[in-house]
Amino acid sequence: AQSVTQLDSQVPVFEEAPVELRCNYSSSVSVYLFWYVQYPNQGLQLLLKYLSGSTLVESINGFEAEFNKSQTSFHLRKPSVHISDTAEYFCAVSRGTGRRALTFGSGTRLQVQP
Amino acid sequence: NAGVTQTPKFQVLKTGQSMTLQCAQDMNHNSMYWYRQDPGMGLRLIYYSASEGTTDKGEVPNGYNVSRLNKREFSLRLESAAPSQTSVYFCASSEVVVDSPLHFGNGTRLTVT
Repeated sequence: AQSVTQLDSQVPVFEEAPVELRCNYSSSVSVYLFWYVQYPNQGLQLLLKYLSGSTLVESINGFEAEFNKSQTSFHLRKPSVHISDTAEYFCAVSRGTGRRALTFGSGTRLQVQP
Repeated sequence: NAGVTQTPKFQVLKTGQSMTLQCAQDMNHNSMYWYRQDPGMGLRLIYYSASEGTTDKGEVPNGYNVSRLNKREFSLRLESAAPSQTSVYFCASSEVVVDSPLHFGNGTRLTVT
């Protein structure tokens, strides 16, 4: 079975500062990795995903994540955050083969302050 | 585009009451899922349906039943609600392809007293 650990439950940061949200996973098989974002009173939306190939993946709104197989990590970064980035962020893992269902981490609440 | 629609948005039940949460998607997806979200625990899979006519247990299926009524609809039933089932419930759908993203509804906030 796979599992996901998000090390920080809350991350406060000032606007225009850089941020890193940490995610570590464990799995005995190959996996796909995802970051989802949840804005208040909404469902989750896909932010970015790693399937194979380049270990650095980017989203359309400036976030990026790097897959590190040796450290089993998939940390999410943004060089300069905006107030509108305030949301909860979930790291998730899916098995590369077999049953298709995501396992989510416990979430990190990003609070961007002016 | 409606996407994934869940009803109701809010519900309060007494212990022992039953109810069905409804979910419908208009994206012609084969796979559908029910998750619950609890503070500090992320989302946990209750049941999923890989395709019409099939359902399978997830991580926390006890106390729940599901019905994949047709390709569009996937309902979640609580036969005898318990306070431990107080949670926010999310329905999601996706293509069968393993790397396709999940599309989520806006959730049902359920309180069991």
